[in-house]
Amino acid sequence: AQKVTQAQTEISVVEKEDVTLDCVYETRDTTYYLFWYKQPPSGELVFLIRRNSFDEQNEISGRYSWNFQKSTSSFNFTITASQVVDSAVYFCALSVGRGSNYKLTFGKGTLLTVNP
Amino acid sequence: DTGVSQDPRHKITKRGQNVTFRCDPISEHNRLYWYRQTLGQGPEFLTYFQNEAQLEKSRLLSDRFSAERPKGSFSTLEIQRTEQGDSAMYLCASSLGGGGETEAFFGQGTRLTVV
Repeated sequence: AQKVTQAQTEISVVEKEDVTLDCVYETRDTTYYLFWYKQPPSGELVFLIRRNSFDEQNEISGRYSWNFQKSTSSFNFTITASQVVDSAVYFCALSVGRGSNYKLTFGKGTLLTVNP
Repeated sequence: DTGVSQDPRHKITKRGQNVTFRCDPISEHNRLYWYRQTLGQGPEFLTYFQNEAQLEKSRLLSDRFSAERPKGSFSTLEIQRTEQGDSAMYLCASSLGGGGETEAFFGQGTRLTVV
């Protein structure tokens, strides 16, 4: 079975601060995929990034960066110079193949509030 | 609009009534998923279709729940004899088949309130 843990329930920062959202996953599969989604108050889940288990390269996209470490089963997400528009719930998710139909297993989410 | 569309956005129903939700996936996407999200939790998988075939159902999907995807296009999720515990956001997602490397696109969800 797959499991995703987001230990931080809520984080509050002041605009322009950097913030890191933690994600720890569990799976016995050697091939798996990790995702981050953003859920603003409107409710729609917005895809941010996908990594596969064979690619441990970190990635940077504008103010967003992701640190994937298989040794610690972590896939952390950092927002640099946070903005009020970053306020949302962020979900880390995991999928595997081989009969699991690539369905997503989500963490409980981290509510990020960026204050002006 | 080429995204995933769900209807209705909100539904309030009395306990014991039946409700039906609709999801229109992105047109070329062959995979369709239903998830349920309760307050303060992440979405939980309910069921999966590949084209018109329902290939997996979660244990969360009691016999009061049924889903269809006729002709492999839109999908419906019906809940019979609703209970207060069914109150949640029901999310639909679609993706283009291949492997897990293709991301799922989500609709805005249907928020169900059972009173």
